[in-house]
Amino acid sequence: GAVVSQHPSRVICKSGTSVKIECRSLDFQATTMFWYRQFPKKSLMLMATSNEGSKATYEQGVEKDKFLINHASLTLSTLTVTSAHPEDSSFYICSARDRGVGYTFGSGTRLTVV
Amino acid sequence: SQELEQSPQSLIVQEGKNLTINCTSSKTLYGLYWYKQKYGEGLIFLMMLQKGGEEKSHEKITAKLDEKKQQSSLHITASQPSHAGIYLCGADPGGAQKLVFGQGTRLTINP
Repeated sequence: GAVVSQHPSRVICKSGTSVKIECRSLDFQATTMFWYRQFPKKSLMLMATSNEGSKATYEQGVEKDKFLINHASLTLSTLTVTSAHPEDSSFYICSARDRGVGYTFGSGTRLTVV
Repeated sequence: SQELEQSPQSLIVQEGKNLTINCTSSKTLYGLYWYKQKYGEGLIFLMMLQKGGEEKSHEKITAKLDEKKQQSSLHITASQPSHAGIYLCGADPGGAQKLVFGQGTRLTINP
């Protein structure tokens, strides 16, 4: 079946630094990937749609300059949290549309900003 | 925008008991997905429903989509500790080619 790999699984960074999270589709090409954020004991909130070769589409209320998304190839999308602050600490998870009509999810990245 | 209401938000059941989780939308559901998540981990795909009246089963889990395609239910028969986790319903808001989620249902199975 379709597999999406997300890296790193955990990252701790200092306030003010930037952190990059990678999302790869391992056995299929994904022209569209998605980035979600999950707060403790909450559901997944869609942040943006990552489109290969073009600009990402951000959901209302999501800061484009804070959360930079790059989808440079058909198998890789990256989310960079710029100038991270403690309030950016969260669980970030990506997904990709697979060959069918399904959505396959990565295993998530727990970001802690200290 | 499409909003999905899940109920209940939290559920505690005795092992061996049956349970049902509901997912309701104010708009027609164009593709309804059920996922399971262990806290702090990725999502495990359970089932996808598209047609009104559709019903799918996998092991002890059955999901249905009503005829109007505005409500779905997930039913677990003879629950086991392995069923514990967060259940999420997601839907594609009518041609938007993306997936948005309900609030989730946290299921606890007591031995």
